Amino acid sequence: KQEVTQIPAALSVPEGENLVLNCSFTDSAIYNLQWFRQDPGKGLTSLLLIQSSQREQTSGRLNASLDKSSGRSTLYIAASQPGDSATYLCAVEGNAGNMLTFGGGTRLMVKP
Amino acid sequence: NAGVTQTPKFQVLKTGQSMTLQCAQDMNHEYMSWYRQDPGMGLRLIHYSVGAGITDQGEVPNGYNVSRSTTEDFPLRLLSAAPSQTSVYFCASSYRGPGQGLSYNSPLHFGNGTRLTVT
Repeated sequence: KQEVTQIPAALSVPEGENLVLNCSFTDSAIYNLQWFRQDPGKGLTSLLLIQSSQREQTSGRLNASLDKSSGRSTLYIAASQPGDSATYLCAVEGNAGNMLTFGGGTRLMVKP
Repeated sequence: NAGVTQTPKFQVLKTGQSMTLQCAQDMNHEYMSWYRQDPGMGLRLIHYSVGAGITDQGEVPNGYNVSRSTTEDFPLRLLSAAPSQTSVYFCASSYRGPGQGLSYNSPLHFGNGTRLTVT
């Protein structure tokens, strides 16, 4: 059974810092990995999707990498802003398809 | 563009009552799913559908029923609510690529959730 772990569970940084969020998964047989953002009381918003054949994806200040063989992904946020404060979740779709397994999330607070 | 719409936003039920959580999407997505989100447990898949007339169980299906009569709608039914079903419920949809699995290029789109309390 696929298990997805995110460390740390919570992170507080001053504005302007570059930061890295970590995601690890136990079964490397995956179709893709997705990073989501969740604001309090809201649904999840997709940030980046990395296919199994890709190493990284970039969108603005966000860069996500994928190392399938080691079961790891990182989300890099450059020049963090208070508006980046949210919970960030990663999820993997296994080769059986049709199902995403989510990590527990990292709650990020960026202080002005 | 409405995206994925869930109703109601909040609901309080007594143990044993039944209700239906509504989910509709206007993106012509084949794949629709229901998740519940609980503190310390993360998001867990309840049921999913890969097209009209096709449904399947996820990780935690007990106590829930679903049907998919149209591409747009995917309601979740609680037949006899229990306090253990107190949670936030999310509906999500996506395109479905050829062959197995979700589309490589289509992320999952979520609704804003329904917060359910069962007393």
